[in-house]
Amino acid sequence: RKEVEQDPGPFNVPEGATVAFNCTYSNSASQSFFWYRQDCRKEPKLLMSVYSSGNEDGRFTAQLNRASQYISLLIRDSKLSDSATYLCVVITNNNDMRFGAGTRLTVKP
Amino acid sequence: DAGVIQSPRHEVTEMGQEVTLRCKPISGHNSLFWYRQTMMRGLELLIYFNNNVPIDDSGMPEDRFSAKMPNASFSTLKIQPSEPRDSAVYFCASRPSGISSFYNEQFFGPGTRLTVL
Repeated sequence: RKEVEQDPGPFNVPEGATVAFNCTYSNSASQSFFWYRQDCRKEPKLLMSVYSSGNEDGRFTAQLNRASQYISLLIRDSKLSDSATYLCVVITNNNDMRFGAGTRLTVKP
Repeated sequence: DAGVIQSPRHEVTEMGQEVTLRCKPISGHNSLFWYRQTMMRGLELLIYFNNNVPIDDSGMPEDRFSAKMPNASFSTLKIQPSEPRDSAVYFCASRPSGISSFYNEQFFGPGTRLTVL
């Protein structure tokens, strides 16, 4: 089993739609969690951290469920510019940073 | 700050040739990471350094790959001899490490797109 697993997609949604991605992790002692965004032919960049109580940044909401060992990312009112690959990132108790393979999102007009 | 700097940005070479990729991390970041990304395998961690010391090289595919970090501001990833299956984008990333490092962001360079013919 991979340490961090994501549905690769692609998710194809119309503008204005709400879309959610899930990510599961295998190390129950993992310490911190992030979502990174990677545009086509670019490097990954931090989108947002994921806090235990859940957190929101504009149209983006991240949730953590430690009991079930998954994190989620919800995008509301999706824009064309949200088209990208979203990478789930987990930092283990050994301070190792583990990336998921990414979920590809395409928002269409 | 210029961010993580990688060179070259593109490299096309022939099978059997030696390839050297270079990275300059962000000043003050003491963890440095080398990744490889392909469509088939996604983003793979090859090796990472902490304070210039290799900590985990379990992701290095085979003996043809080697990495060095002679000082805090420079690292190289070398492939010798190169093979067509090494074609990928190679990212270098850096991150500060310390007491609160679990929550520190990792910054990626723009990547080197390697094509081995």
